[in-house]
Amino acid sequence: DAGVIQSPRHEVTEMGQEVTLRCKPISGHNSLFWYRQTMMRGLELLIYFNNNVPIDDSGMPEDRFSAKMPNASFSTLKIQPSEPRDSAVYFCASSLYGENTEAFFGQGTRLTVV
Amino acid sequence: EDKVVQSPLSLVVHEGDTVTLNCSYEVTNFRSLLWYKQEKKAPTFLFMLTSSGIEKKSGRLSSILDKKELSSILNITATQTGDSAIYLCAVEGGTYKYIFGTGTRLKVLA
Repeated sequence: DAGVIQSPRHEVTEMGQEVTLRCKPISGHNSLFWYRQTMMRGLELLIYFNNNVPIDDSGMPEDRFSAKMPNASFSTLKIQPSEPRDSAVYFCASSLYGENTEAFFGQGTRLTVV
Repeated sequence: EDKVVQSPLSLVVHEGDTVTLNCSYEVTNFRSLLWYKQEKKAPTFLFMLTSSGIEKKSGRLSSILDKKELSSILNITATQTGDSAIYLCAVEGGTYKYIFGTGTRLKVLA
C-alpha cells in the first residue's frame, strides 16, 4: 500500500482565499483524522471520521474550517476564508477503528497564508 | 477532557548519552499509549503500550507504561545524531481518537 496520501504538499495562498487540502487514507482503514501542527500548540486534532461519518469535530477552530469524507477513500479539509494564523502543517492520518493499532500519517501539507 | 503532557520540552545531549523522555496523561477509558518519532515530515510509529510494566524494545529504544501513575517513559541509550527528532506521545481512549502531547525536541550533538 502507498500509505496515506495528501495533496498538495505545499500551498501558499493569499489571505481571504479558499484552501482545500486532500487526503486518501490507507485502503481498508475506517478511521480518518485531520491534525494541525504548529510550534506553539503541537499536533492538534481537528476532526475525525469513522466509516465516513464525522464523529468529533470539537477541535475545528472556527466555522471557516470544514471537512468532508464523501467515501472511504477520500477526505477534504477546507478553509474559507483563509487567514495568516491558519499557517501550519496539516496532517491526515488513518487507522483501523477499535483494533488497538497505530495511526498512520501522511506526509502533510505545509500551508502558508500571506 | 483527554490530555497528554510531555517533558522535557527540549533536550540537547552528546552522542553516546542516554536520555529518558516522559509522558503523562489523563484519558477516559484508556486503550493505549503510543510513541512516535518525527523528523522532517510525518510522525512514524515507534511503540504501542497497553499493559503496565511490560517493556517494549527496539534496538536502543525502549518504553514502559505505568497505568497507576498514568505515565510512560521512552529511553534511548547510546544516542546517535540520527536520533535527533521530535518524540511524540499519544493516548487513545474510549472515544477512539489519538490525542498527542506537544512533543520533546531532542538534539544529539556529535
